[in-house]
Amino acid sequence: GDSVTQMEGPVTLSEEAFLTINCTYTATGYPSLFWYVQYPGEGLQLLLKATKADDKGSNKGFEATYRKETTSFHLEKGSVQVSDSAVYFCALTSLSNTGKLIFGQGTTLQVKP
Amino acid sequence: GAGVSQSPSNKVTEKGKDVELRCDPISGHTALYWYRQSLGQGLEFLIYFQGNSAPDKSGLPSDRFSAERTGGSVSTLTIQRTQQEDSAVYLCASSPEGGGAEFFGPGTRLTVL
Repeated sequence: GDSVTQMEGPVTLSEEAFLTINCTYTATGYPSLFWYVQYPGEGLQLLLKATKADDKGSNKGFEATYRKETTSFHLEKGSVQVSDSAVYFCALTSLSNTGKLIFGQGTTLQVKP
Repeated sequence: GAGVSQSPSNKVTEKGKDVELRCDPISGHTALYWYRQSLGQGLEFLIYFQGNSAPDKSGLPSDRFSAERTGGSVSTLTIQRTQQEDSAVYLCASSPEGGGAEFFGPGTRLTVL
């Protein structure tokens, strides 16, 4: 079945450091890919998405590129801030899944001043 | 409403009791999803509604769990004879057409004593 694997956390960075959170997937067909973020005490929010190969999703300085050849959707940000501290979830959906989201296990990011 | 709302925000119940969790999706969204978030299992899909029908119930963990949606709007998730392992945050999400649950509610935190 379809699945998503994220790098283990927690990830601890200093402010202004470069961030990469790795995400790889297994899916039949052509899934859409998502990154969701959960800030402390808040609900899940869509951060960015990409619906086809080579698409780049971007939002709030975060970017991720849909790489079909490596089945990856790594999240990057050039300069993190303390306010980026949160749990990040990679997810996919496909028509074969009736549109439901399959999530990775989540990666906790802590940014220190 | 402006976003997905869920009630109650917190529910504490005794083992063996029944509970009902409510979700009000964004007006006009035809697709509605229930997920469960727990420490041990991460984010798990439970059930998907398109309109009032549920073409995918594959994530319901047992026959103690059921859900309905009426008027293409409000949905209720019912857990009968609750067990301690049912303790989790239950999340509802809606989207305009399906193909990815993009708008999540704040969740209902269920604690079974």
